Amino acid sequence: DSGVTQTPKHLITATGQRVTLRCSPRSGDLSVYWYQQSLDQGLQFLIQYYNGEERAKGNILERFSAQQFPDLHSELNLSSLELGDSALYFCASSVTPQSLGGYTFGSGTRLTVV
Amino acid sequence: LAKTTQPISMDSYEGQEVNITCSHNNIATNDYITWYQQFPSQGPRFIIQGYKTKVTNEVASLFIPADRKSSTLSLPRVSLSDTAVYYCLLLSGGYQKVTFGTGTKLQVIP
Repeated sequence: DSGVTQTPKHLITATGQRVTLRCSPRSGDLSVYWYQQSLDQGLQFLIQYYNGEERAKGNILERFSAQQFPDLHSELNLSSLELGDSALYFCASSVTPQSLGGYTFGSGTRLTVV
Repeated sequence: LAKTTQPISMDSYEGQEVNITCSHNNIATNDYITWYQQFPSQGPRFIIQGYKTKVTNEVASLFIPADRKSSTLSLPRVSLSDTAVYYCLLLSGGYQKVTFGTGTKLQVIP
């Protein structure tokens, strides 16, 4: 157990729907990162939050949004889902907002869009 | 963001030492070389990080030449459970958009 909790572990939904993925960072970590990993692909950086504020943004689609709440948990909202959105979505956390020192990853949410 | 290049895949027999090389010709002064391991359907796990020369921990060693344009992750006496994807990254302080790339898929053969 890495200490980073992601729910749900699996999600199956239809095209056009909206889903919310949840992440609780490791205790004491203030920074949260979201990644997308499609089949046999590397991890694509989506977005980073630090202590409730957005700090870095990757190639996140406009249909996707995220936020970090005062209790530091984060949610990734995916709307108007398409088949191509099927992927593993990982959350990671770190103590500092800087990436140096490495991240701790959760076990991911596997999203299947049918 | 400086890019890294590593082999797509490698095979090794159990018990052998495995060396995975990563090229990073445009490494910046404040970049640290960082390696992650990822098993199927799991999140990546931090293995080792270094700036120059050699770093060793209980899992692996990292060799970095003086020019820092490449690095080698060394896994001693691999077992079947070391079958995974290994990612080489350059990390520095600051808000980076760190994308992991496709990594090196290591297959350990009995």
